[in-house]
Amino acid sequence: QKEVEQNSGPLSVPEGAIASLNCTYSDRGSQSFFWYRQYSGKSPELIMSIYSNGDKEDGRFTAQLNKASQYVSLLIRDSQPSDSATYLCAVNIPQGGSEKLVFGKGTKLTVNP
Amino acid sequence: GAGVSQSPSNKVTEKGKDVELRCDPISGHTALYWYRQSLGQGLEFLIYFQGNSAPDKSGLPSDRFSAERTGGSVSTLTIQRTQQEDSAVYLCASSSRERANYGYTFGSGTRLTVV
Repeated sequence: QKEVEQNSGPLSVPEGAIASLNCTYSDRGSQSFFWYRQYSGKSPELIMSIYSNGDKEDGRFTAQLNKASQYVSLLIRDSQPSDSATYLCAVNIPQGGSEKLVFGKGTKLTVNP
Repeated sequence: GAGVSQSPSNKVTEKGKDVELRCDPISGHTALYWYRQSLGQGLEFLIYFQGNSAPDKSGLPSDRFSAERTGGSVSTLTIQRTQQEDSAVYLCASSSRERANYGYTFGSGTRLTVV
Protein backbone atom coordinates (compact mmCIF):
# COMPACT_ATOMS: atom_id res chain seq x y z
CA GLN A 1 0.00 0.00 0.00
CA LYS A 2 1.37 3.38 -0.98
CA GLU A 3 1.94 5.74 1.93
CA VAL A 4 0.09 8.75 0.50
CA GLU A 5 -2.46 8.38 -2.26
CA GLN A 6 -4.24 11.00 -4.31
CA ASN A 7 -6.54 10.86 -7.29
CA SER A 8 -4.24 11.96 -10.12
CA GLY A 9 -7.11 13.63 -11.97
CA PRO A 10 -7.18 15.70 -13.96
CA LEU A 11 -9.93 17.53 -12.11
CA SER A 12 -11.70 20.18 -14.11
CA VAL A 13 -14.10 22.70 -12.54
CA PRO A 14 -15.71 25.89 -13.85
CA GLU A 15 -14.67 29.26 -12.47
CA GLY A 16 -16.51 30.05 -9.25
CA ALA A 17 -17.17 26.41 -8.35
CA ILE A 18 -15.81 24.46 -5.38
CA ALA A 19 -12.87 22.19 -6.12
CA SER A 20 -12.49 19.19 -3.82
CA LEU A 21 -9.16 17.39 -3.58
CA ASN A 22 -8.72 14.20 -1.59
CA CYS A 23 -5.85 12.30 -0.02
CA THR A 24 -5.50 9.13 2.04
CA TYR A 25 -2.48 8.00 4.02
CA SER A 26 -1.37 4.71 5.52
CA ASP A 27 0.66 5.56 8.67
CA ARG A 28 -1.57 5.99 11.73
CA GLY A 29 1.33 7.64 13.53
CA SER A 30 1.29 10.65 11.23
CA GLN A 31 0.47 13.90 13.01
CA SER A 32 1.11 16.65 10.47
CA PHE A 33 -0.55 17.12 7.12
CA PHE A 34 0.11 19.62 4.38
CA TRP A 35 -1.15 20.75 1.03
CA TYR A 36 1.26 22.14 -1.51
CA ARG A 37 0.47 23.84 -4.80
CA GLN A 38 2.81 23.34 -7.74
CA TYR A 39 2.47 25.37 -10.89
CA SER A 40 3.87 23.84 -14.04
CA GLY A 41 7.66 24.16 -14.13
CA LYS A 42 7.79 25.60 -10.62
CA SER A 43 8.63 24.20 -7.20
CA PRO A 44 5.96 23.28 -4.64
CA GLU A 45 4.56 26.04 -2.45
CA LEU A 46 3.02 25.36 0.97
CA ILE A 47 -0.58 26.57 1.13
CA MET A 48 -2.16 24.76 4.10
CA SER A 49 -1.17 22.76 7.15
CA ILE A 50 -3.47 20.85 9.50
CA TYR A 51 -2.77 18.88 12.64
CA SER A 52 -6.13 18.25 14.38
CA ASN A 53 -9.29 16.54 13.29
CA GLY A 54 -11.82 18.85 11.74
CA ASP A 55 -11.65 21.82 9.42
CA LYS A 56 -9.13 24.60 9.06
CA GLU A 57 -10.01 27.59 6.92
CA ASP A 58 -7.67 30.12 5.31
CA GLY A 59 -9.33 32.45 2.85
CA ARG A 60 -10.81 30.42 0.01
CA PHE A 61 -9.03 27.26 1.19
CA THR A 62 -10.33 24.75 3.74
CA ALA A 63 -8.37 21.72 4.83
CA GLN A 64 -10.21 18.83 6.44
CA LEU A 65 -8.66 16.05 8.48
CA ASN A 66 -10.14 12.77 9.69
CA LYS A 67 -7.46 10.72 11.43
CA ALA A 68 -9.79 7.79 12.11
CA SER A 69 -10.39 7.43 8.38
CA GLN A 70 -6.81 8.47 7.52
CA TYR A 71 -8.18 11.05 5.16
CA VAL A 72 -7.24 14.62 4.32
CA SER A 73 -8.99 16.90 1.89
CA LEU A 74 -8.64 20.40 0.48
CA LEU A 75 -11.59 22.47 -0.63
CA ILE A 76 -11.10 25.53 -2.81
CA ARG A 77 -14.11 27.82 -2.86
CA ASP A 78 -14.83 30.29 -5.66
CA SER A 79 -12.20 28.62 -7.83
CA GLN A 80 -10.20 30.94 -10.08
CA PRO A 81 -8.24 30.16 -13.25
CA SER A 82 -5.12 31.10 -11.25
CA ASP A 83 -5.82 28.08 -9.02
CA SER A 84 -5.03 25.79 -11.96
CA ALA A 85 -2.05 23.76 -10.75
CA THR A 86 -1.09 20.40 -9.33
CA TYR A 87 -1.96 19.99 -5.66
CA LEU A 88 0.29 17.78 -3.59
CA CYS A 89 -0.77 16.17 -0.32
CA ALA A 90 2.11 15.65 2.12
CA VAL A 91 2.12 13.67 5.35
CA ASN A 92 4.73 13.63 8.08
CA ILE A 93 6.11 10.13 8.57
CA PRO A 94 8.01 9.83 11.85
CA GLN A 95 10.51 7.00 11.63
CA GLY A 96 13.16 6.37 14.27
CA GLY A 97 13.67 10.02 15.12
CA SER A 98 13.71 11.13 11.51
CA GLU A 99 10.93 13.37 10.29
CA LYS A 100 10.25 13.70 6.64
CA LEU A 101 7.28 14.46 4.48
CA VAL A 102 5.98 11.83 2.11
CA PHE A 103 4.17 13.29 -0.85
CA GLY A 104 1.35 11.98 -2.96
CA LYS A 105 1.74 12.15 -6.71
CA GLY A 106 -0.58 15.11 -6.88
CA THR A 107 -3.92 16.00 -8.40
CA LYS A 108 -3.92 18.27 -11.43
CA LEU A 109 -6.65 20.89 -11.19
CA THR A 110 -7.87 22.96 -14.11
CA VAL A 111 -10.27 25.86 -13.49
CA ASN A 112 -12.04 26.84 -16.68
CA PRO A 113 -13.02 30.50 -17.20
CA GLY B 1 19.16 34.33 2.71
CA ALA B 2 15.55 35.14 2.05
CA GLY B 3 14.78 31.81 0.43
CA VAL B 4 16.28 28.44 -0.40
CA SER B 5 18.83 28.87 -3.15
CA GLN B 6 19.83 26.07 -5.51
CA SER B 7 22.49 25.97 -8.18
CA PRO B 8 22.80 25.37 -11.00
CA SER B 9 19.23 25.84 -12.16
CA ASN B 10 19.87 23.59 -15.15
CA LYS B 11 22.55 20.99 -15.77
CA VAL B 12 23.10 18.87 -18.85
CA THR B 13 25.70 16.17 -18.45
CA GLU B 14 26.94 13.18 -20.36
CA LYS B 15 26.18 9.70 -19.12
CA GLY B 16 28.94 8.49 -16.84
CA LYS B 17 30.00 11.94 -15.63
CA ASP B 18 29.77 13.09 -12.02
CA VAL B 19 27.62 16.08 -11.04
CA GLU B 20 27.33 18.24 -7.94
CA LEU B 21 24.17 20.08 -7.00
CA ARG B 22 24.23 22.82 -4.39
CA CYS B 23 21.64 23.97 -1.88
CA ASP B 24 21.84 27.03 0.39
CA PRO B 25 18.96 26.85 2.91
CA ILE B 26 17.14 29.67 4.63
CA SER B 27 19.35 31.18 7.30
CA GLY B 28 18.69 29.60 10.68
CA HIS B 29 16.80 26.59 9.32
CA THR B 30 18.22 23.50 10.95
CA ALA B 31 16.56 20.86 8.77
CA LEU B 32 17.48 20.35 5.11
CA TYR B 33 15.93 17.87 2.69
CA TRP B 34 16.66 16.67 -0.81
CA TYR B 35 13.90 15.32 -3.05
CA ARG B 36 13.73 14.57 -6.72
CA GLN B 37 10.81 14.79 -9.09
CA SER B 38 10.79 12.92 -12.37
CA LEU B 39 8.54 14.05 -15.21
CA GLY B 40 4.91 13.55 -14.23
CA GLN B 41 5.85 11.91 -10.94
CA GLY B 42 5.56 12.86 -7.31
CA LEU B 43 8.35 13.95 -5.04
CA GLU B 44 10.76 11.19 -4.05
CA PHE B 45 12.58 11.65 -0.75
CA LEU B 46 16.36 11.29 -0.98
CA ILE B 47 18.06 12.48 2.21
CA TYR B 48 17.41 14.55 5.36
CA PHE B 49 19.83 16.52 7.54
CA GLN B 50 18.85 17.78 11.00
CA GLY B 51 21.39 19.80 12.93
CA ASN B 52 24.34 17.70 14.02
CA SER B 53 22.42 14.43 13.92
CA ALA B 54 23.34 11.64 11.53
CA PRO B 55 21.51 12.20 8.24
CA ASP B 56 18.62 10.00 7.16
CA LYS B 57 19.93 8.54 3.91
CA SER B 58 17.14 6.01 3.50
CA GLY B 59 15.89 7.50 0.24
CA LEU B 60 19.13 7.51 -1.72
CA PRO B 61 18.47 5.20 -4.69
CA SER B 62 22.00 3.83 -5.06
CA ASP B 63 25.53 4.21 -3.77
CA ARG B 64 26.20 6.57 -6.69
CA PHE B 65 24.29 9.18 -4.72
CA SER B 66 25.78 10.97 -1.73
CA ALA B 67 25.23 14.24 0.08
CA GLU B 68 26.93 16.31 2.69
CA ARG B 69 26.09 19.38 4.68
CA THR B 70 28.95 21.57 5.78
CA GLY B 71 28.78 23.74 8.88
CA GLY B 72 25.08 23.04 9.29
CA SER B 73 24.27 25.20 6.30
CA VAL B 74 25.10 24.58 2.63
CA SER B 75 24.51 21.10 1.26
CA THR B 76 25.90 19.37 -1.82
CA LEU B 77 24.26 16.40 -3.52
CA THR B 78 26.70 14.41 -5.63
CA ILE B 79 25.73 11.89 -8.28
CA GLN B 80 28.57 9.77 -9.58
CA ARG B 81 28.62 8.03 -12.96
CA THR B 82 25.31 9.55 -13.96
CA GLN B 83 22.74 7.45 -15.78
CA GLN B 84 19.83 8.55 -17.96
CA GLU B 85 17.35 7.51 -15.27
CA ASP B 86 18.92 10.15 -13.01
CA SER B 87 17.34 12.84 -15.17
CA ALA B 88 14.90 14.73 -12.96
CA VAL B 89 14.36 17.95 -11.08
CA TYR B 90 16.28 17.85 -7.80
CA LEU B 91 14.59 19.92 -5.12
CA CYS B 92 16.07 21.09 -1.87
CA ALA B 93 13.94 22.26 1.04
CA SER B 94 14.59 23.58 4.51
CA SER B 95 12.53 24.01 7.65
CA SER B 96 12.83 25.24 11.18
CA ARG B 97 11.70 22.63 13.64
CA GLU B 98 11.19 25.38 16.18
CA ARG B 99 8.09 26.45 14.28
CA ALA B 100 5.01 24.64 15.55
CA ASN B 101 3.43 24.39 12.11
CA TYR B 102 6.56 23.49 10.27
CA GLY B 103 6.47 22.83 6.60
CA TYR B 104 9.14 22.89 4.03
CA THR B 105 10.20 25.82 1.92
CA PHE B 106 11.47 24.55 -1.39
CA GLY B 107 14.14 26.01 -3.60
CA SER B 108 13.52 26.44 -7.29
CA GLY B 109 15.28 23.19 -8.09
CA THR B 110 18.01 21.93 -10.39
CA ARG B 111 16.84 20.35 -13.62
CA LEU B 112 19.33 17.58 -14.43
CA THR B 113 19.40 16.08 -17.90
CA VAL B 114 21.69 13.14 -18.58
CA VAL B 115 22.35 12.58 -22.29
